[in-house]
This record gives sequence, structure tokens and C-alpha cells, in this order.
Amino acid sequence: DQQVKQNSPSLSVQEGRISILNCDYTNSMFDYFLWYKKYPAEGPTFLISISSIKDKNEDGRFTVFLNKSAKHLSLHIVPSQPGDSAVYFCAASAQGSNDYKLSFGAGTTVTVRA
Amino acid sequence: DTGVSQDPRHKITKRGQNVTFRCDPISEHNRLYWYRQTLGQGPEFLTYFQNEAQLEKSRLLSDRFSAERPKGSFSTLEIQRTEQGDSAMYLCASSPLKGSADTQYFGPGTRLTVL
Repeated sequence: DQQVKQNSPSLSVQEGRISILNCDYTNSMFDYFLWYKKYPAEGPTFLISISSIKDKNEDGRFTVFLNKSAKHLSLHIVPSQPGDSAVYFCAASAQGSNDYKLSFGAGTTVTVRA
Repeated sequence: DTGVSQDPRHKITKRGQNVTFRCDPISEHNRLYWYRQTLGQGPEFLTYFQNEAQLEKSRLLSDRFSAERPKGSFSTLEIQRTEQGDSAMYLCASSPLKGSADTQYFGPGTRLTVL
């Protein structure tokens, strides 16, 4: 049962423009959400997170938005750079229930065109 | 480098052989997780430890899989009688358990190929 879904397997964006990645979840117990970036043959690298008590978290070029009523979150990257080309994973956990394991989406491959 | 390390990075084995992977977490991180990732999918949870105690195991972890963290530091994941379906990237992550948010940091992974 896929509890975290990334419905867009790929995204192509021009350098300097905004990249918007989307993620939906079904488990209402999820209260902590993370985005990871992964290059080929490497492990996922933590990018940014958000707790369910917030609806926005910003860190440099990366902003995550959380819409709890819609069970939807998004990652905005502005401006997009060639080094941002990678696979991005959305993940979630139910920490308030002492359930710390992460459930991941299938990933979105981002390609930034020069 | 004070990140999570995994050894080996790559392992090729024949079906039926046993393999063991090692994970060294970030120093002082008391939680350690194992995940498995296959092509085109996100990582899937296998098991996790808090210090030396194994607190949860996924149903994905068949009887052929065993994980240990004997002194609450490094961990090993052993797969006995490997099958071709075990071919995957095995990822280890650790977290510090601080405050209200527990962020996991991943190692580079061990790529297992079963022939």
C-alpha cells in the first residue's frame, strides 16, 4: 500500500526558472515530512523538512509547503540550477505515534536545462 | 568525513551464498535504520534500532535476513541463501533523536547483485 505518492515521474525545467515538485499522502497519522535529493549511485541527501504544525518552511532556494487538509505537500526550487538535476524523494513519518520509519514516494527525476 | 558510511559499496554474489553488509552511523546517533531500494522505487523500510535494541522489523524482512547492532554503534545486515530478488540497493540511515523532529541521514548504500 503506497502511502506516499509522487505522481510526476519526471520534470524538465529551464535554468533560472522555478521547479515545483508535488507529493500526496494518505496516512492521516503522518506529521513529519521530508524531501531528499539523490544522485545516481549515491544515498539520498536530506534537503528540507516540515512538521505538521507548520504550513511552510524555507531554506535558501528551497521551500516546502504543506496542505494538511488536502494531504498534499510541494517543494519549490527557485531559481533552478544545473546541479539540481537529480531524483527527488518525498518521505513521511508518524512521529507523534512513535513511528519513526520513513515512507517514501517513488521519486521525481528533475532535469534542469541550460 | 563524519557522515554515515557503508561497506562494501558493491557486492556481486551467486544465488545461495550468504552476504553481510556493514553500516557505521554518524557518531552519537542512537537510531539506525535499514532500507532497501529497487529500480524506479523509493526506499522501503526494513528495520531499525534504538541503541542496541531492534525495535521494529518490516514484513519485507524474511527469515533469511538478520540485522544486529551489538554495541549500539555499527550495524550489520546479513542475507542468507541469497535469491535474485534480493538484488537491490541497501541503504543505512541514522538519526539523533533530538527535539520533536527526527531527521534521518543516509549513507551511500551497498549495491547487491545476485547472479
